[in-house]
Amino acid sequence: DIQMTQSPSSLSASVGDRVTFTCRASQGITTHLAWYQQKSGKVPKLLIYGASTLQSGVPSRFTGSGSGTDFTLTITSLQPEDVGTYYCQNYHSAPQTFGQGTRLEIK
Amino acid sequence: VQLVQSGGGVVQPGRSLRLSCAASGFNFYTYAMHWVRQAPGKGLEWVALMSYDGSSKAYADSVKGRFTISRDNSEKTLYLQMNSLRAEDTAVYFCARVPVGFTSGWHDYWGQGSQVTVSS
Repeated sequence: DIQMTQSPSSLSASVGDRVTFTCRASQGITTHLAWYQQKSGKVPKLLIYGASTLQSGVPSRFTGSGSGTDFTLTITSLQPEDVGTYYCQNYHSAPQTFGQGTRLEIK
Repeated sequence: VQLVQSGGGVVQPGRSLRLSCAASGFNFYTYAMHWVRQAPGKGLEWVALMSYDGSSKAYADSVKGRFTISRDNSEKTLYLQMNSLRAEDTAVYFCARVPVGFTSGWHDYWGQGSQVTVSS
């Protein structure tokens, strides 16, 4: 199975900051990677698929990049509503493993 | 697009439970569907997938041999039959859609979640 490792496990930043999340796959997954945001007690929300394609309706301050084994999700200017936990997911092959998540807080 | 889940609850270890996910607003029979779960205070765990026509299935090792995914395209409903339940199966279970044309893929729509608690 492909293991997905996210870093850091938690992050605290100020409104307006540039924030970067990292996700690493244990083997190459080309660009078969998605990013989700989950707010406390809510259903996960798709942000990015294909490593860099923004899902319809998602603000343009969210950008994704990477291929192979190393991926990043960047929020170019952090907003208060961006608080939550962010997960990457491999869909290159089943099982479609998730990373353990990165918890984002506002300073 | 709506995915409305039902069937969660409290069940004793070793017993069974079936979850349902009723779809509306899209051509259910053309989309692969998946189940994802989240244990209390934990991250997301992928559970199972089924292709649009039911010909292809896959399971996480943690549920293989105990859980069965199925679908009724005439009823636009996805199911997860959970047998031999264990305490570690306690979680919120989500059904999730994969875009048309893919069996494996990203989840663009999710159900509201069903709480399953396994406890004596």
